[in-house]
Amino acid sequence: AQTVTQSQPEMSVQEAETVTLSCTYDTSESDYYLFWYKQPPSRQMILVIRQEAYKQQNATENRFSVNFQKAAKSFSLKISDSQLGDAAMYFCAFRAPYKLTFGKGTLLTVNP
Amino acid sequence: ETGVTQTPRHLVMGMTNKKSLKCEQHLGHNAMYWYKQSAKKPLELMFVYSLEERVENNSVPSRFSPECPNSSHLFLHLHTLQPEDSALYLCASSQGQGSYEQYFGPGTRLTVT
Repeated sequence: AQTVTQSQPEMSVQEAETVTLSCTYDTSESDYYLFWYKQPPSRQMILVIRQEAYKQQNATENRFSVNFQKAAKSFSLKISDSQLGDAAMYFCAFRAPYKLTFGKGTLLTVNP
Repeated sequence: ETGVTQTPRHLVMGMTNKKSLKCEQHLGHNAMYWYKQSAKKPLELMFVYSLEERVENNSVPSRFSPECPNSSHLFLHLHTLQPEDSALYLCASSQGQGSYEQYFGPGTRLTVT
């Protein structure tokens, strides 16, 4: 069974600063995908970034990037130049083969 | 975001009521999912439908009954629920059984009294 652990229930960051959200996972699968989802107060879950396990290069989407350490089973999300609109619950998720397993989430607060 | 819509957005029901949650996706996807989101807990996958056939049922109590009449619509029929069933119910869709990302609806906030 896959498990996803987000050890930081809450994080805060100053506007324009950088913050890193942690995620670790446990699996015996060799082929899988990892995702970070964002759930703003409006509740609609949206995909932030995706990483294929077979790719060594870390995924990047504008101000969002990941640090994927396959051997350590770690998948952290870095948000650069934080904006007020980044405030949300962030979920790390693991998929293999089709079931998506989520962590408990990290609530990110952005302070002006 | 209007790719996946859910109705109603809020629902309050008694333990003896029967109600249904509706999900509709406008993305041309062929897989749909129901999740339960409770406070302080990870999202729990309830049901998966692929090409309108149920392919996953994660030991969900029979008081939850899904229905997928076509690839664009997914229902969750509710009857004789318990207060612990109060939660946010999220619908999602994807192209294939999760070969890529899932797109989520806004959810239905269910309160069982």
